[in-house]
This record gives sequence, structure tokens and C-alpha cells, in this order.
Amino acid sequence: EDQVTQSPEALRLQEGESSSLNCSYTVSGLRGLFWYRQDPGKGPEFLFTLYSAGEEKEKERLKATLTKKESFLHITAPKPEDSATYLCAVFILTGGGNKLTFGTGTQLKVEL
Amino acid sequence: ETGVTQSPTHLIKTRGQQVTLRCSSQSGHNTVSWYQQALGQGPQFIFQYYREEENGRGNFPPRFSGLQFPNYSSELNVNALELDDSALYLCASSPVLLAGATRGDTQYFGPGTRLTVL
Repeated sequence: EDQVTQSPEALRLQEGESSSLNCSYTVSGLRGLFWYRQDPGKGPEFLFTLYSAGEEKEKERLKATLTKKESFLHITAPKPEDSATYLCAVFILTGGGNKLTFGTGTQLKVEL
Repeated sequence: ETGVTQSPTHLIKTRGQQVTLRCSSQSGHNTVSWYQQALGQGPQFIFQYYREEENGRGNFPPRFSGLQFPNYSSELNVNALELDDSALYLCASSPVLLAGATRGDTQYFGPGTRLTVL
């Protein structure tokens, strides 16, 4: 069965303390890996799409990378406003529609 | 903001009742997907609509049903509500679904509807 696992479940950082979030997946026929940010009580906000192993994307303090088994979201010098839950999701090509399968997320808290 | 809107924002129902949630897709998007997100969990795929027809369904019972209209807006209907249906319901739209597409298109989410079943 296709699975997406995110670690750690929760992460507490000091402002400026860089770290990485992990998303590992066991799927057949990966056709895209997506990172979203979600604030409490709100819908997920799109961050990145990665399609091929070795691909990297950057946006402000965030950088996403992809290998054949996992993806990392690197956060450089985080600020308190980066506090949120970060979700990764995989798109698998099946006959069941354009379906995203999500992990349970990493809850990030950045403190002053 | 994504341009995807959902209504209502919050809803409280009692067990056994029926509910309809609404979604307006981002301009230019003709595919809409619905997800259920329980507290502390990732969103779970309910179903997807493309050109007014269901185009895939997750592991949800038939009492979860939907519609997509010619203007690409959409409804999620849930009959015979159960306590476990309490969740954040998310609508996501994505661009034109090309025949034979092998890449997943980015899905843009709305703010969600918080449903509480008592």
C-alpha cells in the first residue's frame, strides 16, 4: 500500500536555527511530490512541486529536495512567522483520479 | 490567496442530519477535489470531479456524494451524519486535466469548512 511518512511529528526551533523536515514515501509510479504549509484552521497553502529525483526548488527561507525515496524541506534561519504545519503529499498515477495522498505533517514552532 | 472559496466557514449539525458544503473553483480550473481532514491528520481524498463527472473516489461510503456545475463550482453532500464526520472539509481546484497527462497538477486549496456533528 502506498504510504507517506513525515518526521519529526513536531519540531521546536529558535529563531535563526536551521533544520530539515523529512517526507519518506513508498509508492509505485510517483508522478509528483507536493509540499504545503497549513496554518491552524486554514486550508493548505501550496509551496513546491517536485517531479524528478535530484530536483530542487527554493522560495525565501525554504528549499525542497527530492530523492527516489524521500523529500526534504530545508528551513534556513527560520523566523516565528514560519511556524505552521508542513504537509507533504504524493500524486500517484492511477485510474482513481488526480489524487493526492498526504502525510500527517510536521508541526513547526519557531521561537524568539 | 488561491481564489478558491468555500461556504459556510463553520457548521454545526446533529447526528443523522444531512449537510451540503459549497466550493467555488479558481478561475480557469476545471477539476475540483474534496478532502476530509480530521484533527491532527493529513487531508484524506474523498473524490474528484472533472467536467461535471466523478473522476475518482477515495475510501468513503456512498453517503458522501458530490456535484460539479457547468461553471466548475461544486458541492459536497453528506447524508446521515455521524459523529466521526466532524472534520475540516477542504476543496481544491486544479488546472485543465489533459488527456494522457502523466504528471500531477498542483491542487490549490480553499480555506475549508469546519463541520461539527453533535
